[in-house]
Amino acid sequence: GAVVSQHPSWVICKSGTSVKIECRSLDFQATTMFWYRQFPKQSLMLMATSNEGSKATYEQGVEKDKFLINHASLTLSTLTVTSAHPEDSSFYICSAHTRDPRFEDTQYFGPGTRLTVL
Amino acid sequence: AQTVTQSQPEMSVQEAETVTLSCTYDTSESDYYLFWYKQPPSRQMILVIRQEAYKQQNATENRFSVNFQKAAKSFSLKISDSQLGDAAMYFCAYRRPNTGNQFYFGTGTSLTVIP
Repeated sequence: GAVVSQHPSWVICKSGTSVKIECRSLDFQATTMFWYRQFPKQSLMLMATSNEGSKATYEQGVEKDKFLINHASLTLSTLTVTSAHPEDSSFYICSAHTRDPRFEDTQYFGPGTRLTVL
Repeated sequence: AQTVTQSQPEMSVQEAETVTLSCTYDTSESDYYLFWYKQPPSRQMILVIRQEAYKQQNATENRFSVNFQKAAKSFSLKISDSQLGDAAMYFCAYRRPNTGNQFYFGTGTSLTVIP
């Protein structure tokens, strides 16, 4: 239980294009979803927190216009990297928190998406 | 913002032996949650164990246990009978309750298990 999926698992795009990453909670409704960025051999850096039907809350230093987050339903959040550049290449991880009593009160993580911008 | 410190960037342990990973955190809160997550080479984050600050009893999950010292703001993870599959990055995380459930992660400890 408490499975979170991400799609795609990896993507290569040209500089200047936009890329959308989907995060879905498969067997529960997510109260909140989170987006992280992870550089090689480093920790997870929280980018933003999103709640269904409301605007995402971005962490300091994260560009809202560059990293667009849409949380359309209780099971789906999307991260769109707009006008991607090589410095946006990274590993992006989403997670979901639920109050479903079947599961522990914690964040459940997706498998991540590796973005490479040429 | 809360800070979480993992002072051991790398650790190694012989298979079947015991290893302890350290974590300290800084907070002025009295009620919070602490977690250990494992990230194997697949990079999938996996919950290892969690501890509520109001509970004095240390959490245990099979071969994994914690030593939670609230006054010292320390939260170490002990892995007993280490197995090859335990090799991974381990992240300590802090979460305040009722604040949107954001996690603050430590910098991680890379654990190598020697056969």
